[in-house]
Amino acid sequence: DAEITQSPRHKITETGRQVTLACHQTWNHNNMFWYRQDLGHGLRLIHYSYGVQDTNKGEVSDGYSVSRSNTEDLPLTLESAASSQTSVYFCASSSGFGHGYTFGSGTRLTVV
Amino acid sequence: KNQVEQSPQSLIILEGKNCTLQCNYTVSPFSNLRWYKQDTGRGPVSLTIMTFSENTKSNGRYTATLDADTKQSSLHITASQLSDSASYICVVSAYSGAGSYQLTFGKGTKLSVIP
Repeated sequence: DAEITQSPRHKITETGRQVTLACHQTWNHNNMFWYRQDLGHGLRLIHYSYGVQDTNKGEVSDGYSVSRSNTEDLPLTLESAASSQTSVYFCASSSGFGHGYTFGSGTRLTVV
Repeated sequence: KNQVEQSPQSLIILEGKNCTLQCNYTVSPFSNLRWYKQDTGRGPVSLTIMTFSENTKSNGRYTATLDADTKQSSLHITASQLSDSASYICVVSAYSGAGSYQLTFGKGTKLSVIP
């Protein structure tokens, strides 16, 4: 069965370190997204991609970057982790406009 | 600014009872509205999608309604079960042109079903 997987499920890192969160989907979806979820906020869009070599900034993109070298993967990199980036991160994919999102199970990141 | 407001923030009900969750939005131009269920420690899972012309849609014990005139939606859960305990998130989609679209997420309603 097709799926979308995130790794790791939990991560603790130190302030200032570079961290990469992985997202891999086997749905063959062109569209992929990264969100963060914090108490008191709805899911907030970090970056998104509509296809290979395409990346776009979302509403909370500062301090994050993504790259899309193939259809299946959209890794999220925190260039220099900050305590404000402690959050739960969700990756999602979609086949296109009007279609629902399939979400991964999330990565809980703690920056100490 | 596009906004999605959900109420109540949290709700506790007895197993077997019905409940209704509310979603008000100020998203334009409206394309569709989805309700997602998010179990603790998991990603959201789509329950229903509603377009402008749809008023009611059911998915088992879940029934969503949409009033595009008042920009309100509700999710009614019938004969609640313990497994319904989760956060329910309302998400409104707006087409932003050039093949792209913008989703606005509500903060969710946390439902607890107790025996």
